[in-house]
Amino acid sequence: DADVTQTPRNRITKTGKRIMLECSQTKGHDRMYWYRQDPGLGLQLIYYSFDVKDINKGEISDGYSVSRQAQAKFSLSLESAIPNQTALYFCATSETGTGSDEQFFGPGTRLTVL
Amino acid sequence: GENVEQHPSTLSVQEGDSAVIKCTYSDSASNYFPWYKQELGKGPQLIIDIRSNVGEKKDQRIAVTLNKTAKHFSLHITETQPEDSAVYFCAASRGTGNTPLVFGKGTRLSVIA
Repeated sequence: DADVTQTPRNRITKTGKRIMLECSQTKGHDRMYWYRQDPGLGLQLIYYSFDVKDINKGEISDGYSVSRQAQAKFSLSLESAIPNQTALYFCATSETGTGSDEQFFGPGTRLTVL
Repeated sequence: GENVEQHPSTLSVQEGDSAVIKCTYSDSASNYFPWYKQELGKGPQLIIDIRSNVGEKKDQRIAVTLNKTAKHFSLHITETQPEDSAVYFCAASRGTGNTPLVFGKGTRLSVIA
């Protein structure tokens, strides 16, 4: 089984709809991240969380919100989706105190907003 | 904040040749520089990283070099193979664990058999 899972893997929605993307991990990591990937723009950080009670904005948080329901779960919401939020979204995890800063990425969710 | 520039955006090489991807960073306090490989339809995966206390690190056919004075670092892949074809991302952070990674925009490498 995959260590970092994302649901759904693909989603098509309409402008103005509320969308939630979910991320779960079985790695036992304390840190979780949401990234957006657009062609030619690399990976841009939306939000990150260092533990259940910690939420931080990234480079492009406008139009997004997150919820860290448990150590293993981190959800990304688009309250009112717009077409320029069409992108590939990745969740990632990492662990504090191991001496490694490696991030482990999920398989991604492809979101299309019409 | 940190800004990471990556070049080239696309790179084609013949199988067996070497490939070099270069990145520059702006924050002189950055001290952790990872490289991620993203295969088609998958999430990025760490392939090698370097910290600012060393100038070079190798792992089989992959090496990373770091020039702190010039604030640039490079990924070198020797004896390229078709399975090296992917998108490669460089990134930088202060490496304290409390500052997130800033990624470059990626390089699409194509290895032609």
